[in-house]
Amino acid sequence: GAGVSQSPRYKVAKRGQDVALRCDPISGHVSLFWYQQALGQGPEFLTYFQNEAQLDKSGLPSDRFFAERPEGSVSTLKIQRTQQEDSAVYLCASSLGVAAETRTGELFFGEGSRLTVL
Amino acid sequence: DAKTTQPTSMDCAEGRAANLPCNHSTISGNEYVYWYRQIHSQGPQYIIHGLKNNETNEMASLIITEDRKSSTLILPHATLRDTAVYYCIVRVVDSGAGSYQLTFGKGTKLSVIP
Repeated sequence: GAGVSQSPRYKVAKRGQDVALRCDPISGHVSLFWYQQALGQGPEFLTYFQNEAQLDKSGLPSDRFFAERPEGSVSTLKIQRTQQEDSAVYLCASSLGVAAETRTGELFFGEGSRLTVL
Repeated sequence: DAKTTQPTSMDCAEGRAANLPCNHSTISGNEYVYWYRQIHSQGPQYIIHGLKNNETNEMASLIITEDRKSSTLILPHATLRDTAVYYCIVRVVDSGAGSYQLTFGKGTKLSVIP
């Protein structure tokens, strides 16, 4: 499809396991965002990429969280040594680019990856 | 980015207009007002945004007060599919380098009732 694609949709991990969540943004989109959404809460910003450059990682909750976008397209969010508090939906969003956002203001979100840590 | 205040929940009868208020009394001159919604088990979806003029598109209308301290999102004829959490967000948009992340609050849960 033409939208933002995330995989896996559901992931169950045992505490202490490492997980990797993938995001395929819309083709040609320069900006890519990761958000974390706990149950009953609004999404919370984790990190932002412009092409392959990670320009803002201020929202990453700990050094167990790592994100990359090596070729400026697909991005991976990696969580090491998962803890129960990491259980959440992880949302990826993309947008055309910096200048375009002043015109449309639109971020396109994927359906998210639901992580459950037991 | 400025904070926003929204009611926790609202009901609306199917076919009637849904008016969702948002207070953003600390908004700065270069901050836009954005509305997104999130239907259950889906990612947020962009609805509309504006700076100071009222805006309308195929989904909704956005009315911003003259002092820009509050706004209202209007869904003119609500349907059952409009049941969702609606987020009002204020955000700086410029052409410089930096982050353009959205800061979501808890939003308003709108229930459209048959």
